[in-house]
Amino acid sequence: SQTIHQWPATLVQPVGSPLSLECTVEGTSNPNLYWYRQAAGRGLQLLFYSVGIGQISSEVPQNLSASRPQDRQFILSSKKLLLSDSGFYLCAWSIGYEQYFGPGTRLTVT
Amino acid sequence: TQLLEQSPQFLSIQEGENLTVYCNSSSVFSSLQWYRQEPGEGPVLLVTVVTGGEVKKLKRLTFQFGDARKDSSLHITAAQPGDTGLYLCAGFNAGNNRKLIWGLGTSLAVNP
Repeated sequence: SQTIHQWPATLVQPVGSPLSLECTVEGTSNPNLYWYRQAAGRGLQLLFYSVGIGQISSEVPQNLSASRPQDRQFILSSKKLLLSDSGFYLCAWSIGYEQYFGPGTRLTVT
Repeated sequence: TQLLEQSPQFLSIQEGENLTVYCNSSSVFSSLQWYRQEPGEGPVLLVTVVTGGEVKKLKRLTFQFGDARKDSSLHITAAQPGDTGLYLCAGFNAGNNRKLIWGLGTSLAVNP
């Protein structure tokens, strides 16, 4: 069966510090991968998605970037965090149109 | 721009009551999904509907896709505290390059 991992679960970082969040998927090959941000327990904002290694599409111009160095690894990064980067970050994978989510990372920028 | 509007945004009911939440759009979708999310966790897929007029049941939850595939509803019978969570609908069209269109969710609280 497929499993998706995200880490860390919780992160507190000062403004201006770098960020790296990692997501890995097990049990499937060549999945589509997604990074979302969710604010205040409401809707999901799609940040990036990837249909293959090295292929990244950005949905919202911002302070973040994404990379897919391996088939089942998706990384969300920032060189310098802003206060507005705080939120709940979710990684998801899909083969068809149904998406399956990781447990999320709660990021607080102080 | 495709949008999905969910209503109500918030709902607080007593255990045992019935409720319906809605997901509406002016656009046609080839499929629509419902997810439930508990605080601090990722959304979990409940159901996918693909055919206009389709009805799917998952225990006490009944999902319906509108005939024109522009809207959907989720009905919960005899709600229980374990049904508490954020209910999200998401629509898919092949032309959206594997992206889903998400509603903002209905936050449901079922009080014992």
